[in-house]
Amino acid sequence: SQKIEQNSEALNIQEGKTATLTCNYTNYSPAYLQWYRQDPGRGPVFLLLIRENEKEKRKERLKVTFDTTLKQSLFHITASQPADSATYLCALGSTGTASKLTFGTGTRLQVTL
Amino acid sequence: GAGVSQSPRYKVAKRGQDVALRCDPISGHVSLFWYQQALGQGPEFLTYFQNEAQLDKSGLPSDRFFAERPEGSVSTLKIQRTQQEDSAVYLCASSLGPGDNEQFFGPGTRLTVL
Repeated sequence: SQKIEQNSEALNIQEGKTATLTCNYTNYSPAYLQWYRQDPGRGPVFLLLIRENEKEKRKERLKVTFDTTLKQSLFHITASQPADSATYLCALGSTGTASKLTFGTGTRLQVTL
Repeated sequence: GAGVSQSPRYKVAKRGQDVALRCDPISGHVSLFWYQQALGQGPEFLTYFQNEAQLDKSGLPSDRFFAERPEGSVSTLKIQRTQQEDSAVYLCASSLGPGDNEQFFGPGTRLTVL
């Protein structure tokens, strides 16, 4: 069955460092992958999209890589700030009418001063 | 604001009661999704609408779950004869249309079944 794995334990890093979050998947051939941020008590908020034919995408301090051979995506936040503390979810999607997303369990990031 | 809204934000039901959860998507968004999120987990897909047509309901856990979007805008997720395992946050999301478009999520409805 399809499986998406994200670091289950919280990631604690110091302000100013680069945070790297991992998303691994099995038994899936996604057409694209999205990253979302979720704060407590709120719905997920879209951050970045990367398609299967793209290797890297950047947006301000965010960078996403997508390796379809390794079946892995890495999500980087450079110069991290306490305001970046949240849960980050990766979500895989396929072509087709539904366009539904299959989410990982999320990784909680805590950025400390 | 012009975001996705959901109501109620919190719902407590006794086991066996029926509940109805409402979603107001962003105006003009063709696609609407319902997800269920258990504590500490990622959202899990329930069902998908394109305008008023329910094109995918493969994620609905049982026939006690029913969703509709009769006029292609507001959607309602109904759960009949609620059970304790139905306790979760129910998220609604909308997007411009099918494809890899970003999904805009509402704040969710937290359902607790006693």
